[in-house]
Amino acid sequence: EVQLEQSGAEVKKSGESLKISCQGSGYSFTSYWIAWVRQMPGKGLEWMGNIYPGDSDTRYSPSFQGQVTISADESIFTAYLQWSSLKASDTAMYFCARLRYDSSGWGLDYWGQGTLVTVSA
Amino acid sequence: SYELTQPPSVSVSPGQTARITCSADALPKQYAYWYQQKPGQAPVVVIYKDSERPSGIPGRFSGSSSGTKVTLTISGVQAEDEADYYCQSADSSGTYVAFGGGTKLTVL
Repeated sequence: EVQLEQSGAEVKKSGESLKISCQGSGYSFTSYWIAWVRQMPGKGLEWMGNIYPGDSDTRYSPSFQGQVTISADESIFTAYLQWSSLKASDTAMYFCARLRYDSSGWGLDYWGQGTLVTVSA
Repeated sequence: SYELTQPPSVSVSPGQTARITCSADALPKQYAYWYQQKPGQAPVVVIYKDSERPSGIPGRFSGSSSGTKVTLTISGVQAEDEADYYCQSADSSGTYVAFGGGTKLTVL
């Protein structure tokens, strides 16, 4: 069974750094992209970027380029999303999801449970 | 950045048919996917590759595509279908993933 297990909720202060994680199991972790998706309170889903753990090829949404860093450690089947200096506007739920290519289509077939990040000013 | 356009809300009575549309330039070249999200839960894919239904998704969910528009159809809507629905695709080069703004389905 494919599963993506995310790290627990975080409460941080503005200016602090943070790294959240997403561990995959039940499939070949290095053969599928992992995407990160932001959902701000009461708002829609936003694609942030994705990484291919097999070779660490990474793509970022222009909206998030330079704001976050996506990485992966294939030895422990884990992808990461990190911030060097959090802002109050980073308060959101963050989901990881497995991104698969289906000949002319990219879709997210399995999702983590989400990690709630709360940043106080 | 690439954008997909959905109506903010759709309302139907139980047993009726709900149709949610999604428009974007690259949809003739890139498949669309539809996700259902209920409050406090992670999204779940209900349609993939424009019209395919994953195992475990009820048969009342279907998808179709025509030019730059894709449509999610829920036939015989039930109260449990009340949720937010998001379309998702990629730009024409397949480089950037994007979501529509989401449609809140209300079952009256």
